[in-house]
Amino acid sequence: QSVLTQPPSASGTPGQRVTISCSGSSSNIESNTVHWYQQVPGSAPKLLIYTNNQRPSGVPDRFSGSKSGTSASLAISGLQSEDEGDYYCSTWDDSLHGVLFGGGTKLTVL
Amino acid sequence: QVQLVESGGGVVQPGRPLRLSCAVSGVSFSGYGMHWVRQAPGKGLEWVAVISYDGTNKNYADSVKGRFTISRDTSKNTLYLQMNSLRHEDTAIYYCAKTLIWLGQSRDAFDIRGQGTMVTVSS
Repeated sequence: QSVLTQPPSASGTPGQRVTISCSGSSSNIESNTVHWYQQVPGSAPKLLIYTNNQRPSGVPDRFSGSKSGTSASLAISGLQSEDEGDYYCSTWDDSLHGVLFGGGTKLTVL
Repeated sequence: QVQLVESGGGVVQPGRPLRLSCAVSGVSFSGYGMHWVRQAPGKGLEWVAVISYDGTNKNYADSVKGRFTISRDTSKNTLYLQMNSLRHEDTAIYYCAKTLIWLGQSRDAFDIRGQGTMVTVSS
């Protein structure tokens, strides 16, 4: 069981907006920045959002992140079939002195 | 173009050691913290260890503390993970990752760029 809690699955139809939540605590999300990774089937994870809401070069602006208190969210607008895959939130934990990953959310485009 | 190439994986018996390497190119290696992250078959991502850009600070996941050692060789632009007393549950793809910020902190975001190296612990 991960310290960072994500819903195991999410889905949407092409063009829809989908959000994925990530819930933590005062020692991790509340005190540190949150990052999101995307892993499409058969590929290595890729950094999607860093420092709560920043997109690396090449990531479409359909992807956005936010953080409030002990929770964070990833939003994907204009859903496309190539967005199918697993999404992980991540942050530092001040008590564990290490990085945490959420359990991952499997996104299905219907 | 930044490249991270992991190597050293393979099949190893429980209790035996193995050393992974991550060759870094296209960036000034000495200025970035480095992580190891792993993914067991069919499972999610698990953070393993981080080393600061200057090698002075190291942190480990509880699951590997006391068994694994992260290190770096700036002269070779290479990151290492020495894995001792391997267990079945260490079976996973191991990825190395580079922090985003030059001379930053271990808690900064990191980017996984390699394809990983597979470690299978089996008798």
